[in-house]
Amino acid sequence: EVQLVASGGGLVQPGGSLRLSCAASGFAFTTHWMTWLRQAPGKGLEWVANIKDDGTKTYYVDSVKGRFAISRDNAKDSVFLQMSSLRAEDTAIYYCARDAYYSDGSKNYSVDFFDSWGQGTLVTVSS
Amino acid sequence: DIVMTQSPDSLAVSLGERATLNCKSSQSVLNTSNKRNYLAWYQQKPRQPPRLLIYWASTRPSGVPDRFSGSGSVTDFTLTINGLQAEDVAVYFCQHYFSTPPTFGGGTTVEIK
Repeated sequence: EVQLVASGGGLVQPGGSLRLSCAASGFAFTTHWMTWLRQAPGKGLEWVANIKDDGTKTYYVDSVKGRFAISRDNAKDSVFLQMSSLRAEDTAIYYCARDAYYSDGSKNYSVDFFDSWGQGTLVTVSS
Repeated sequence: DIVMTQSPDSLAVSLGERATLNCKSSQSVLNTSNKRNYLAWYQQKPRQPPRLLIYWASTRPSGVPDRFSGSGSVTDFTLTINGLQAEDVAVYFCQHYFSTPPTFGGGTTVEIK
């Protein structure tokens, strides 16, 4: 069974930092891109960042570029989100999710829909 | 970025009846090379993470009941729930994955009438 367990959320002051972790199990972690998404209280879903299966490529939504950094440790089946210069608008539940992939018969391609999600961890930015 | 617009915002349907949810993208999400629409649907119940319901606009993952079906192409998509059950009360989101960043619609809340 695929499991994604996110941790590290909490209350932080504006301008502060926080590091989120996501421990994966039940699948071949090194074959999947991984993603962090967020959901502000009572709001919709926002893709935040993703990282290639081997960790060599990362992408970010514009609103977090230069402030957040996604990384992974394939030896520990874990993905991380280092958040700095936090703002009130970063307040949200942060979910880690597994990117899907499909095969055209000769090659596998990663695609940015999410076939497994963790339970999420709440980040509150407030003074 | 591609903007996803869902309608209606909320929908009340009687048990056993059909619910029809709409999603429109601001530009095509059809890959003409592989003829696939890069569109997914998710269900989110209170205090739970989203759950994948549909991908490639019309493909159900294993374990998703066949009362859920997706249709549409290019910019206009529909999620249909045939024979609404009480456990289907949730918010439903569409999402494109045609380009980076993938973006979501604002959601449609489905309730029991």
